[in-house]
Amino acid sequence: QSVLTQPPSVSGAPGQRVTISCTGSNSNIGAGYDVHWYQQLPGTAPKLLIYGNSNRPSGVPDRFSGSKSGTSASLAITGLQAEDEADYYCQSYDSSLSGSVFGGGTKLTVL
Amino acid sequence: EVQLVESGGGLVQPGRSLRLSCAASGFTFDDYAMHWVRQAPGKGLEWVSGITWNSGNIDYADSVKGRFTISRDNAKNSLYLQMNSLRAEDTALYYCAKDIGAGSSSIWLAFDIWGQGTMVTVSS
Repeated sequence: QSVLTQPPSVSGAPGQRVTISCTGSNSNIGAGYDVHWYQQLPGTAPKLLIYGNSNRPSGVPDRFSGSKSGTSASLAITGLQAEDEADYYCQSYDSSLSGSVFGGGTKLTVL
Repeated sequence: EVQLVESGGGLVQPGRSLRLSCAASGFTFDDYAMHWVRQAPGKGLEWVSGITWNSGNIDYADSVKGRFTISRDNAKNSLYLQMNSLRAEDTALYYCAKDIGAGSSSIWLAFDIWGQGTMVTVSS
């Protein structure tokens, strides 16, 4: 069981908007630690998608956006494309564990 | 080109040891904290261990504490993971990852560069 909770799967049609939630606690997200998001395409290494809650690294399309409130965070993907089909993970720091923690991952299916 | 290349994985019996290496290139290695992250077959990502730029602070996941040791050699631009007393549940693809920060505040940040991973299989 992961410290950060994500829905196992989400889906949407091309062009639609989907969101993926990430729920933590007062020792990680709720303590003010940043949330980061990764995209993992099948058979490849994870790729940083969002860092510091809402910042996009160079090269990441602005269709991807992140937000954080309280003990939760969300990743939103607009204008869904077939190439967005992947696994998405949230990550934060946990002070009780003195370490980094990942969510269990969410599989995005583009219908 | 910014790159991380892992090596040292393989098939090992339970209770034995293995040492993973990660060669970094294309960035100033000793400016950044580094991490090991693993992914069991068909499962999600699990952070294993992190080390600050100067090895001044090191953290481990509870699942590997006391068995794994992370280290780095800044002169060789290399990161290591010594894995002892291996168990079947340690079977995974092990990734080396670069932190976006140095780790000076003792808080791990985002991981912006990842290697392709090296597979470790623990089985008799």
